[in-house]
Amino acid sequence: AQTVTQSQPEMSVQEAETVTLSCTYDTSENNYYLFWYKQPPSRQMILVIRQEAYKQQNATENRFSVNFQKAAKSFSLKISDSQLGDTAMYFCAFAMDTGRRALTFGSGTRLQVQP
Amino acid sequence: SAVISQKPSRDICQRGTSLTIQCQVDSQVTMMFWYRQQPGQSLTLIATANQGSEATYESGFVIDKFPISRPNLTFSTLTVSNMSPEDSSIYLCSVRRAEANEKLFFGSGTQLSVL
Repeated sequence: AQTVTQSQPEMSVQEAETVTLSCTYDTSENNYYLFWYKQPPSRQMILVIRQEAYKQQNATENRFSVNFQKAAKSFSLKISDSQLGDTAMYFCAFAMDTGRRALTFGSGTRLQVQP
Repeated sequence: SAVISQKPSRDICQRGTSLTIQCQVDSQVTMMFWYRQQPGQSLTLIATANQGSEATYESGFVIDKFPISRPNLTFSTLTVSNMSPEDSSIYLCSVRRAEANEKLFFGSGTQLSVL
C-alpha cells in the first residue's frame, strides 16, 4: 500500500514571498503520478499541479512548481510570489499508473498568506 | 476541467435516517470515486463506482452502510445509511478524465451534519 506524508500541519508566508510545502511518499511502484491539490474554505478540491514519475523534468504551472526527487521519494511544492488567494489547505496525493488510479492523500498543510 | 455537479451541497440530518448524494458529470467517464473528509482531516477513499458492476469498497467501508449506484457513465449516487453523528463529514465525488490527460477532478462536495 502507498502512503503519503506531509510533515507540516501549518505554514505561514508573507504576501509576494516564496514558500515550499513538503511531501514524502512510500511506494514500491515505478510508474505513478503525484499531485498537489488546493482546498480553500469553499471546500472545492482544485488541482494545482501534477507530476508523472517517469518524467525527470519538474512540473511547473505559473507560480507553482515542484521539486520531484524520485529516489528520495520526495515531492515538494514551491509557491512563488504568494498571493492572498493562495490561502488554503494543500494536499499532496499519489496515484498508481495502472488499475483504478484512485488517489491516496496526505494529511494536508494549512497555508496562510499574510498581507 | 470537468464540470461535476454534486447535490445536495449541504444537509442536516437526524440520526437513523439516510441521505443520497448525487454526482453528475458533463461527459462520460469510466470510473467515479467517492471520498469522505471527516472534520479537519484528509480525504479517504470510500469506493470506486463502476458502470455496469458493483462498486469496489475500500477497507473499513461496506455496501450496507454506503450503497452506491452507477446507472450510466455520467451519473452516480452515494447513500449514507442509518446515519450517526460519526458520519458527519464532507463527501466528495471525483472523476478521472482521459481527455484531460488522466487528471482527476472533484465535485464541490456535500457537507453532511448528523444530529
